[in-house]
Amino acid sequence: GENVEQHPSTLSVQEGDSAVIKCTYSDSASNYFPWYKQELGKRPQLIIDIRSNVGEKKDQRIAVTLNKTAKHFSLHITETQPEDSAVYFCAVNNDYKLSFGAGTTVTVRA
Amino acid sequence: DAGITQSPRHKVTETGTPVTLRCHQTENHRYMYWYRQDPGHGLRLIHYSYGVKDTDKGEVSDGYSVSRSKTEDFLLTLESATSSQTSVYFCAIGGDSSYNEQFFGPGTRLTVL
Repeated sequence: GENVEQHPSTLSVQEGDSAVIKCTYSDSASNYFPWYKQELGKRPQLIIDIRSNVGEKKDQRIAVTLNKTAKHFSLHITETQPEDSAVYFCAVNNDYKLSFGAGTTVTVRA
Repeated sequence: DAGITQSPRHKVTETGTPVTLRCHQTENHRYMYWYRQDPGHGLRLIHYSYGVKDTDKGEVSDGYSVSRSKTEDFLLTLESATSSQTSVYFCAIGGDSSYNEQFFGPGTRLTVL
């Protein structure tokens, strides 16, 4: 299947600062790149996604950028808040199957 | 939460016993998926279905089988559970467009002793 690498594996930020998580993928045919947030003991929740024909998408404090040439995409969280503390997963779609990164544990320090 | 439920939510079983997990949706999505989640591995696809009686393997399908006799139900069976199958299992629905937005069920925590 698709090889998705996600970095960093852990990220600690001061409240109010920005957080950036990066993912790379291998298959140039991939057409859809979602991000999921998972709080402890909960299900993964889709928070933002981007399609292959778009370079950037924003939704309030979160944004995703896609560089198809370099095969990487990133999640940006601005003005971080304690409720942003969670595990974040990137994913890549190929032929109706998602391949996930290993996850990034984000901790927002008050 | 996208009209998807899983049962049971928790199960403890012994090595060698059969186990069946159920996923039920009320959203009429064509595609349904089973994942397992283990520390350091993210979510890994076990099996998926693209319609009634239409299923295919994912990346970690060994030791698992699935069935889908109705649009709304997707069953995951461990024929003879092993300790390596101790995990959290998530069902997801999606595939309504080629961009494949997926929505997850609440998960089942399975412990094999």
